[in-house]
Amino acid sequence: AIQMTQSPSSLSASVGDRVTITCRASQGIRNDLGWYQQKPGKAPKLLIYAASSLQTGVPSRFSGSGSGTEFTLTISSLQPEDFATYYCLQNYNYPRTFGQGTKVEIK
Amino acid sequence: QVQLQESGPGLVKPSETLSLTCTVSGGSIRSYYWSWIRQPPGKRLEWIGFIHSGGTTNYNPSLKSRVTISLDTSKNQFSLRLNSVTAADTALYYCVREVGATRFDYWGPGTLVTVSS
Repeated sequence: AIQMTQSPSSLSASVGDRVTITCRASQGIRNDLGWYQQKPGKAPKLLIYAASSLQTGVPSRFSGSGSGTEFTLTISSLQPEDFATYYCLQNYNYPRTFGQGTKVEIK
Repeated sequence: QVQLQESGPGLVKPSETLSLTCTVSGGSIRSYYWSWIRQPPGKRLEWIGFIHSGGTTNYNPSLKSRVTISLDTSKNQFSLRLNSVTAADTALYYCVREVGATRFDYWGPGTLVTVSS
């Protein structure tokens, strides 16, 4: 199975900050990667698919980039509602595998 | 608006079978992949497997010997059975729609299943 590794595992940031999360795959996965946001007690929510495509209804401050083995999720200006845990997911092959998550906390 | 809702027992005894059903409303179950994903407390999400509306299934090798996913198109439902459960199977279980094998776009709210005697 493809291993997905995110960094950092957690970060503290202030409202208005630019935040970047990295996800690395153990082998090349083209651009078959998505990003999901999960708030406590809620199901994950799709933000980005195909590495850089914004899901309908997701604010434009979220963006994704990368291909092959290294990917990034960027939040251009952190908002109060963005404090959550973020997961990457590879959909290159089965079994689908997730990163361990990055928790974004308020500084 | 497509909605998914998990249902089933919240408590299962060790060595018994965990059974969950997902009811899909607001859209057809046809032409999509339908997955189960779980999240043990404090751990990362784990994909369990999918069933396609045409009947094809694919399971995580780590669970394959114990998992069955089935579909009832007449009821717009799909189901999960996980045999011989242990405490390690305690988790939040989500039913999820996958679009064209590219993304998980709709999720149920999740249901907590605890394995304990």
